[in-house]
Amino acid sequence: DGGITQSPKYLFRKEGQNVTLSCEQNLNHDAMYWYRQDPGQGLRLIYYSQIVNDFQKGDIAEGYSVSREKKESFPLTVTSAQKNPTAFYLCASSTLTGARGTQYFGPGTRLTVL
Amino acid sequence: DQQVKQNSPSLSVQEGRISILNCDYTNSMFDYFLWYKKYPAEGPTFLISISSIKDKNEDGRFTVFLNKSAKHLSLHIVPSQPGDSAVYFCAAILIIQGAQKLVFGQGTRLTINP
Repeated sequence: DGGITQSPKYLFRKEGQNVTLSCEQNLNHDAMYWYRQDPGQGLRLIYYSQIVNDFQKGDIAEGYSVSREKKESFPLTVTSAQKNPTAFYLCASSTLTGARGTQYFGPGTRLTVL
Repeated sequence: DQQVKQNSPSLSVQEGRISILNCDYTNSMFDYFLWYKKYPAEGPTFLISISSIKDKNEDGRFTVFLNKSAKHLSLHIVPSQPGDSAVYFCAAILIIQGAQKLVFGQGTRLTINP
């Protein structure tokens, strides 16, 4: 089945540690996105990528890093510089850039910093 | 600066009646709008969309209305069913440097009572 997978579903980390969240899609979509959701708030864009080996900062990129070495994969690293990393992280992809392609979301990863 | 606002954090509706979820926006550059439905600990799923050149789009029980002059859109669900209980996000598309960015509202939690 085509879709977006994120792993792990739940992740715990100690303060000061970097952690990488996985996002894979087999929809052959060009663009991929990372969002963060906090309680009572909408989704906020962290990073996005339109093509392989290229990505741009979203609205809240500080403390995060990404890579896009393959079309199918867009991992997100939450670094120790991120001051409040506990949140629900969502990856999305879309088929068209520069057009009104609907974004499709993965199931999310809940990160808790202990 | 919240460019997309959903002013009602929650809404409770009786099964079989109409649910109306509202969304306001401030940026006149938005030209495409979407509604997503989200269950707890899952990614949002696309529900329905509307282009700014239209004022109504219908898909089964779901209808979205757009009032550009008021910068307001609404989602109508008729008849409401228990499975509709979820958080609903309004989102607007902004095209920046050829890439689409989704700007989300804070969400409205809809509860359908039997």
